[in-house]
Amino acid sequence: KAGVTQTPRYLIKTRGQQVTLSCSPISGHRSVSWYQQTPGQGLQFLFEYFSETQRNKGNFPGRFSGRQFSNSRSEMNVSTLELGDSALYLCASSDPRDSNEKLFFGSGTQLSVL
Amino acid sequence: QQQVKQSPQSLIVQKGGISIINCAYENTAFDYFPWYQQFPGKGPALLIAIRPDVSEKKEGRFTISFNKSAKQFSLHIMDSQPGDSATYFCAASIGEGNQGGKLIFGQGTELSVKP
Repeated sequence: KAGVTQTPRYLIKTRGQQVTLSCSPISGHRSVSWYQQTPGQGLQFLFEYFSETQRNKGNFPGRFSGRQFSNSRSEMNVSTLELGDSALYLCASSDPRDSNEKLFFGSGTQLSVL
Repeated sequence: QQQVKQSPQSLIVQKGGISIINCAYENTAFDYFPWYQQFPGKGPALLIAIRPDVSEKKEGRFTISFNKSAKQFSLHIMDSQPGDSATYFCAASIGEGNQGGKLIFGQGTELSVKP
């Protein structure tokens, strides 16, 4: 089975712009979670989608949003980028038939905001 | 109450030695405690996990010890190898259902195993 695929791998944006990141989960996995990883704050939960519905949301401003498609692929969007949004954005998928909590992570998208 | 505190921040161990990383939590509703391993340029990968109904779980060279009364758990890496050099994260979550996919991570421990 192919793993979790995230695109693009690297992204450079300027303040005020918006960005869309993409995630393809492991085949058969219907739950997709997004995390932000920074050296200062570590790994922080953004949100989780299951069957195209957001089930869980972390403590991030409304500029961070996401969606999930019928094929379980997911996108997250960050609008009005700020310097502090520079981070590694990780997507993880899981199979609720196995365990909601057993997450398989992609390699992430490294976002730099200039 | 949602925090998971991890120590040490960094650890240097000689090849063949035992690496020990500790985590503590406050929220007694947590019922799943995984450890993840992350290499540079990669996402975290699940190493081993435990639930509070057992005090220890072993998989190969990796062992989780869990102390429910102290609200602490730790990862022991026996016979540490240079290939184990990575960043290790403990995490915790609250069961199934509405909490699906949400892990609370510790700050990470950068392990370096010297040959």
